Formats: sequence, structure tokens, C-alpha cells
Amino acid sequence: DAKTTQPNSMESNEEEPVHLPCNHSTISGTDYIHWYRQLPSQGPEYVIHGLTSNVNNRMASLAIAEDRKSSTLILHRATLRDAAVYYCILSPSLNRDDKIIFGKGTRLHILP
Amino acid sequence: EPEVTQTPSHQVTQMGQEVILRCVPISNHLYFYWYRQILGQKVEFLVSFYNNEISEKSEIFDDQFSVERPDGSNFTLKIRSTKLEDSAMYFCASSEISASGQETQYFGPGTRLLVL
Repeated sequence: DAKTTQPNSMESNEEEPVHLPCNHSTISGTDYIHWYRQLPSQGPEYVIHGLTSNVNNRMASLAIAEDRKSSTLILHRATLRDAAVYYCILSPSLNRDDKIIFGKGTRLHILP
Repeated sequence: EPEVTQTPSHQVTQMGQEVILRCVPISNHLYFYWYRQILGQKVEFLVSFYNNEISEKSEIFDDQFSVERPDGSNFTLKIRSTKLEDSAMYFCASSEISASGQETQYFGPGTRLLVL
């Protein structure tokens, strides 16, 4: 599985934007970039995914570098509820079931 | 919004006892998974299940573990003879393949298993 690198932890103030980086320099041309998060004492939760173009949904935005070797998850206005561990995961573009390999992720602390 | 449910939320058992963890995946999903997370550690893949058979299993998923989809709605994980090191949070997940060929996995809230 292609490897991703994320900072262990980050801090942000409430109601400010948060940019969570992820490096994936060995990404293959067909790997999708997925982000999941895990709120305290809960199961992981899908956030967003993309291939080449930037993506937006109701939870976040995903900015993908032109060379695809890095990406950034953007929370536009962090709330206390966004405090979680955020996982950046690469997923092959195959039309079949595929396990998720979770790394350590980035633990995001939100300061009130 | 449809969600994955798991029962029980907590289970305490004696070492050597059998436990069955239950999951109800999202109804139109075809792919099912079990993961576990030992306290303070990463979420680890255990097994994937599709078309009534195991697709893939990890090294953790040894002969003490089994999975079953006994009817159209439930998906169970059985641990035949629990060990102390089986104490963990167990997450069930289900998914469907999207039009882009990518899948999004939806996770349940987990069952916290404590083996004494």
C-alpha cells in the first residue's frame, strides 16, 4: 500500500480555517486520496475523497497538488466538534472491496 | 440518514469464553468489514466479506475468529475463545461501490470488548 505522511498533531482556534496536510509522494496514477476522521470514542467517519481535481462537500474541501504528491484537507471554519484524528488514505482505483489501512493520522485540537 | 448499528455497545467476558458481536450494515450495501482498535492504538483491519464469503483477512483474524451473515440484515463477528489481548473496540463497516469506482466505508459506533 502506498504510504502517506501526516503531522502527529495540530492545533487551531475555533471558527478559524484549518489546513491539514498529507504527503503521498509514492502515489500511483490511479490512487484516490481519501480522508476519514475519528471523533473521540466513535468509529471512523468518511470526510471526502478525490483523484486530481479539488473537491468540496458539506464537511470540507480537498486541495490536491498538481503533481498529486500531496494534498490538504481544509475545514473552512473549525468548531469544537471537529476535534478528532484525521486520516489521509490512498485507495486504488479498482471496482472491488478494499480494506482501509489506517495510519496514526493527525490529532486536531480545537481551542475555544 | 442510514447508518451502521452495532450491538452490544459494551461486552465484558471471561478469558476463554465465546463472544458474538453483532452489526446491522446499511441495507443496500454489499461489502462488509470488521476492524478493531486496541486502546490508544491504530484502527486495524480484520476481515472483509462479500457475496457471503470472506474476501480478505489479516494476520490477526486467526482460527479463533469467524464471520457470518446469517440473514439479510445481520453481520456477526464471533471470537471462539477470547484472550486478554482481544480486549479492544471492534468496528463494523459497510460500503457500496460508487459510480466513480470508489467506495466509501460507513462505520458503526463500535463494541467495546473487555476480556478479564
